[in-house]
Amino acid sequence: AQSVSQHNHHVILSEAASLELGCNYSYGGTVNLFWYVQYPGQHLQLLLKYFSGDPLVKGIKGFEAEFIKSKFSFNLRKPSVQWSDTAEYFCAVNARNNNDMRFGAGTRLTVKP
Amino acid sequence: DTGVSQDPRHKITKRGQNVTFRCDPISEHNRLYWYRQTLGQGPEFLTYFQNEAQLEKSRLLSDRFSAERPKGSFSTLEIQRTEQGDSAMYLCASSLGGFRDTISRSATPGELFFGEGSRLTVL
Repeated sequence: AQSVSQHNHHVILSEAASLELGCNYSYGGTVNLFWYVQYPGQHLQLLLKYFSGDPLVKGIKGFEAEFIKSKFSFNLRKPSVQWSDTAEYFCAVNARNNNDMRFGAGTRLTVKP
Repeated sequence: DTGVSQDPRHKITKRGQNVTFRCDPISEHNRLYWYRQTLGQGPEFLTYFQNEAQLEKSRLLSDRFSAERPKGSFSTLEIQRTEQGDSAMYLCASSLGGFRDTISRSATPGELFFGEGSRLTVL
């Protein structure tokens, strides 16, 4: 079964700083990749997803992620964070031969105003 | 508002009692998932339904856990003889289509829409 690791548990940035959150997965086959975000007191919601095609995918609120197949990575980036980006971010991987989507442990992002 | 609703939002119970959670998915979604999330961890897959059929169950789902989706709409997750280790947030999610199209055998990825969760505290 696939597994997901997120390298940073808690990231603290000032507004306008650039963000990169790491995500690596382990699975030898074809995968679908996702980033979900959970704002304080809210439910999980999809930020962006990769299924096929251009490995650089753009999501909502200026976020993007790049799938690097050789590195089994799907890192999330944003050039300039805002205070409102304070949230928990989860990377998720689904192997195409099953219906089980596996989540990483999450990275808590705190953006200082 | 995602349209997935869960009830109750918070349940406090004593060890050994039974609890039941309900999930109402987005009405046109045929797939429904249950996840469990503990502090500092990401959601862990428990089980999944396509319409009323329960197609996959995680090894995390011991025999004290049972999930149903009797009419292919709402779902219930029951935990019998609760233990303190069952304390967690239980998340429900639904999707239209899924990650594997069983007819074409090709991937049909489905975005998961999550509810706000049901928090269980076992004393």
